[in-house]
Amino acid sequence: GQQLNQSPQSMFIQEGEDVSMNCTSSSIFNTWLWYKQDPGEGPVLLIALYKAGELTSNGRLTAQFGITRKDSFLNISASIPSDVGIYFCAGQFDQLIWGAGTKLIIKP
Amino acid sequence: GAGVSQSPRYKVAKRGQDVALRCDPISGHVSLFWYQQALGQGPEFLTYFQNEAQLDKSGLPSDRFFAERPEGSVSTLKIQRTQQEDSAVYLCASSLVVRGKETQYFGPGTRLLVL
Repeated sequence: GQQLNQSPQSMFIQEGEDVSMNCTSSSIFNTWLWYKQDPGEGPVLLIALYKAGELTSNGRLTAQFGITRKDSFLNISASIPSDVGIYFCAGQFDQLIWGAGTKLIIKP
Repeated sequence: GAGVSQSPRYKVAKRGQDVALRCDPISGHVSLFWYQQALGQGPEFLTYFQNEAQLDKSGLPSDRFFAERPEGSVSTLKIQRTQQEDSAVYLCASSLVVRGKETQYFGPGTRLLVL
């Protein structure tokens, strides 16, 4: 099925480092969403973006809706151990179309 | 409970067996979605209900997949004559409003393994 191009596939970082991940698509979307999924659980919404150019923060998380409506990024500042997990972007025009995820691993 | 619940959490089926997966959405949520998530991938849309009406079933991979929500609350996803490629996590999500700028709340998923 159709999916977004999400990168990187995985990240190994030190605690305290900043993290950046992004999604691109050949299609435009009305909404961009960022989710986090922990093992054995369903995805949990982190940030929702509804307008091209919109920049939104949720604590240490910041996400932007690209002005072309075909891309979005998510930044996490000063990572902590509980940030470990898989982060998904999802674009919505009608259905939700999902990226393949970015697995965040924090080195001890 | 306060969230979306799904049962069973795990299901092992023999190839050819029929399975039924249950979703209990958040009370009062109008919209209900089913997704299939393969290992290492993002969820893929299967079907959408607005109350009891199945408005979109474009993501169902074959006619072996059938979903219903007869009273507009609990939903069941049924897979007939399961195949190995049906092995995946099946996620259910519900939202308060109709499809659009809704926030979807996900259940923990049912992990289906077809042997």
